[in-house]
Amino acid sequence: DAGVIQSPRHEVTEMGQEVTLRCKPISGHNSLFWYRQTMMRGLELLIYFNNNVPIDDSGMPEDRFSAKMPNASFSTLKIQPSEPRDSAVYFCASSEQGGDTEAFFGQGTRLTVV
Amino acid sequence: GDSVTQMEGPVTLSEEAFLTINCTYTATGYPSLFWYVQYPGEGLQLLLKATKADDKGSNKGFEATYRKETTSFHLEKGSVQVSDSAVYFCALSAEYGNKLVFGAGTILRVKS
Repeated sequence: DAGVIQSPRHEVTEMGQEVTLRCKPISGHNSLFWYRQTMMRGLELLIYFNNNVPIDDSGMPEDRFSAKMPNASFSTLKIQPSEPRDSAVYFCASSEQGGDTEAFFGQGTRLTVV
Repeated sequence: GDSVTQMEGPVTLSEEAFLTINCTYTATGYPSLFWYVQYPGEGLQLLLKATKADDKGSNKGFEATYRKETTSFHLEKGSVQVSDSAVYFCALSAEYGNKLVFGAGTILRVKS
């Protein structure tokens, strides 16, 4: 398996534009996580899914952020409209279900909003 | 709610020095505990884990012991190398469900 695949690796966009980040989890994993990493706030869990169903979205910063998982092999994180303070590295991770299982991370999408 | 606190960095050491990065946690029940490492420009990867009290996780010369009495999971290595320079994250996963909660991360810099 190629691991967790995120696209794009880098995204530069203008304030007010819509941004969509994509993630393909590892086949057979039924939990998927979206994290945001910044120098100021560290690694924050935004939302996670079990079996394609959102379980906890309490970390989503505001209504401008939305996430979907239409099937077991694909998830998106959308920001509309984007703002400069959304600039960060966004990571997707997947795991088998279970509290003691390892989460595998993608290489991240570095988002810059100018 | 569940939380993880780890020592602030950066931690700067000379090659072959002994490393300790402290981590304490707050959680209900019996969480699983993890250390992840992030090299520059990459995502996080699992370094080691422990799933119950008194378990010791180990990998690549790193060790950490799950101490329930002190709610700690300190990371240690007897002799660090320049290649160990990275950011280290302590994390827990609640007993029920698999939501991973991370500490703030500790930057380790090893000088030759």
